Amino acid sequence: ETGVTQSPTHLIKTRGQQVTLRCSSQSGHNTVSWYQQALGQGPQFIFQYYREEENGRGNFPPRFSGLQFPNYSSELNVNALELDDSALYLCASSIGQGRLNTEAFFGQGTRLTVV
Amino acid sequence: AQKITQTQPGMFVQEKEAVTLDCTYDTSDQSYGLFWYKQPSSGEMIFLIYQGSYDEQNATEGRYSLNFQKARKSANLVISASQLGDSAMYFCAMREVNSGYSTLTFGKGTMLLVSP
Repeated sequence: ETGVTQSPTHLIKTRGQQVTLRCSSQSGHNTVSWYQQALGQGPQFIFQYYREEENGRGNFPPRFSGLQFPNYSSELNVNALELDDSALYLCASSIGQGRLNTEAFFGQGTRLTVV
Repeated sequence: AQKITQTQPGMFVQEKEAVTLDCTYDTSDQSYGLFWYKQPSSGEMIFLIYQGSYDEQNATEGRYSLNFQKARKSANLVISASQLGDSAMYFCAMREVNSGYSTLTFGKGTMLLVSP
C-alpha cells in the first residue's frame, strides 16, 4: 500500500450535477496531482497542488477545480458533469516541485460514472 | 505528437519466462525521468521502477529491470521469471518539468497476461 487513500471508490452521478472527490496523501508528502484516466487510455494530468496552491494545470476546463488543505489532503471538484467525465480519477502524492519532485505514489482511484 | 509510445496493446507470456514491454519517448529536455507503473484491475497505479536521464546504469528493482537506450529514446521494461500476479496493465511514463511543476505523461499502456 502506498498510503494514499481516495474516497469514494465508486460514484454514479447524473449529467449536470457536481461532484467532489477526496484524496489523503502519504504522510510527509506536500504535493498532490490529479489525473483522469478514461477507459483504455493512460492517465491525463488535470492539475497539481503544492503547499495549498495550484502550481500547474493540464488541458482541462475551469469546471474542474481543486483544493489542497493544510494537512496536504486534497479535493477535486467537477461542476456541470458531462458524460465524457466518466473515468477513473487518480490522485498522486509526492514531495517537492519542479526538478526536485520525487516519484509519485498513487491512490486506488475513484471510478466516476456519469449517466 | 505522442510523447510516450507503447506499441504493444497486449502481450502474452508463460509463467517463469521473461518478457519485455516496449516504450519509446520523445523529449527535447536533457534532464528527464522515466517511470514504469503497474495497474491491476483494482485501478491503483503501482510504481515499479525509475530511470533518470543521467543515470549511466540501467535501473533494476528485483525482477524488474529497465533497458535504457538514450540515443534510441527507448526505455523498455524487462520482467524476469514472470508470475501469475504480474498480469495487469503496464504504463510507461515520463516526468516533464513545466514552469516549476512536474507532471507525468503516460503512454496508452500494455496489457500483460501471464499463463500457467
